[in-house]
Amino acid sequence: RKEVEQDPGPFNVPEGATVAFNCTYSNSASQSFFWYRQDCRKEPKLLMSVYSSGNEDGRFTAQLNRASQYISLLIRDSKLSDSATYLCVVPHQAGTALIFGKGTTLSVSS
Amino acid sequence: DGGITQSPKYLFRKEGQNVTLSCEQNLNHDAMYWYRQDPGQGLRLIYYSQIVNDFQKGDIAEGYSVSREKKESFPLTVTSAQKNPTAFYLCASCIDRNSYNEQFFGPGTRLTVL
Repeated sequence: RKEVEQDPGPFNVPEGATVAFNCTYSNSASQSFFWYRQDCRKEPKLLMSVYSSGNEDGRFTAQLNRASQYISLLIRDSKLSDSATYLCVVPHQAGTALIFGKGTTLSVSS
Repeated sequence: DGGITQSPKYLFRKEGQNVTLSCEQNLNHDAMYWYRQDPGQGLRLIYYSQIVNDFQKGDIAEGYSVSREKKESFPLTVTSAQKNPTAFYLCASCIDRNSYNEQFFGPGTRLTVL
């Protein structure tokens, strides 16, 4: 299993739809997980941190399944502005660096 | 405003030339990182520094060098030994060098080798 793996998509959904992304990771000892958002040709920005079983922030819910070693991101009531690439991020063994997945691309249309 | 800055935004260089990318932060963060991103790829760790005057190689350090003489600054030099340097370079910082926390990124430098 790769260190972190995501379905690259693209996911094309209409406004108002609910969409979910999954991410698998290989290091069973990992304790901290993150979802970052990256807009086209921009730097990544933190969307959510996941330290326990899950986290919810408005329309966004992140869940962690340690037994199966996967993390999911659920977006409800999709907005046009949600169109971006979503990066699944897990701890690196080098200091406190992070390992970034290749990202899942979401395109929300009207 | 606190933040992390990178310059220049776009950089062109001829083959065989060394070039230095700037990264400055005024967030008083201990840890700083350099990543490289290629099209359709995830970010890959080049170098990282958890404290002033100390830095460590990441996953793809060959052909790169760094320094950390000041807490605020972590410049990256792309040397002529780097075989495929054209990429998007991202610098990041983190407040805590001992635990995994949010990393704040600069706007990036797009390097193109002609």
